[in-house]
Amino acid sequence: QPVLTQSSSASASLGSSVKLTCILSSGHNTYIIAWHQQQPGKAPRFLMKVEDSGSYNKGSGVPDRFSGSSSGADRYLTISNLQSEDEADYYCETWDSNTRVFGTGTKVTVL
Amino acid sequence: EVQLVESGGGLVQPGGSLRLSCAASGFTFSNYAMDWVRQAPGKGLEYVSSISSNGGSTYFSNSVKGRFTISRDNSKNTLYLQMGSLRTDDMAVYYCGRLNGETDYWGQGTLVTVSS
Repeated sequence: QPVLTQSSSASASLGSSVKLTCILSSGHNTYIIAWHQQQPGKAPRFLMKVEDSGSYNKGSGVPDRFSGSSSGADRYLTISNLQSEDEADYYCETWDSNTRVFGTGTKVTVL
Repeated sequence: EVQLVESGGGLVQPGGSLRLSCAASGFTFSNYAMDWVRQAPGKGLEYVSSISSNGGSTYFSNSVKGRFTISRDNSKNTLYLQMGSLRTDDMAVYYCGRLNGETDYWGQGTLVTVSS
């Protein structure tokens, strides 16, 4: 089954940009992944899915500041014009025929 | 508006059982596979189980296989997770999710505490 690798933390200043990475394990570099945001004390929220082509589809109501991209086995989430409410944990998810996998999450701190 | 509302969490002793429910609204429930994902205190998200749209196929993580069952009642727009032989490491917030390939909607979660 696939394994997803994420950095444990990232930080950036208010109004700047941050790019998060989710790395697919060997042999799974064509997999679609999804990005989820979890603000403190809240349930996760679907942000977008990102394909190996780099195309992405966002969930309902997700601000334009959020975008996705891809390179090889790496899937990215970029948050532009960082806001205080973007301080959260971000998880990537992938799946195959009979299981689902989550990355360990990246904690984003807004400085 | 898609809504998923979990219920049934609570305090249970090790070795005990509990049934969680997830009431769905705002979409045609019978058209979607569904899943359960949990989050232990201070930890990340962990896949638990999923079920196909008609209930004919079910899947479980190795950590719960043989102890948990998943089911659904499409006439009641409700998803269930029957948990048995509960252990302290099953303690977590349990979320239900709608599957569209990815998990595209999440419930608010229900807390399961396993303690004597």
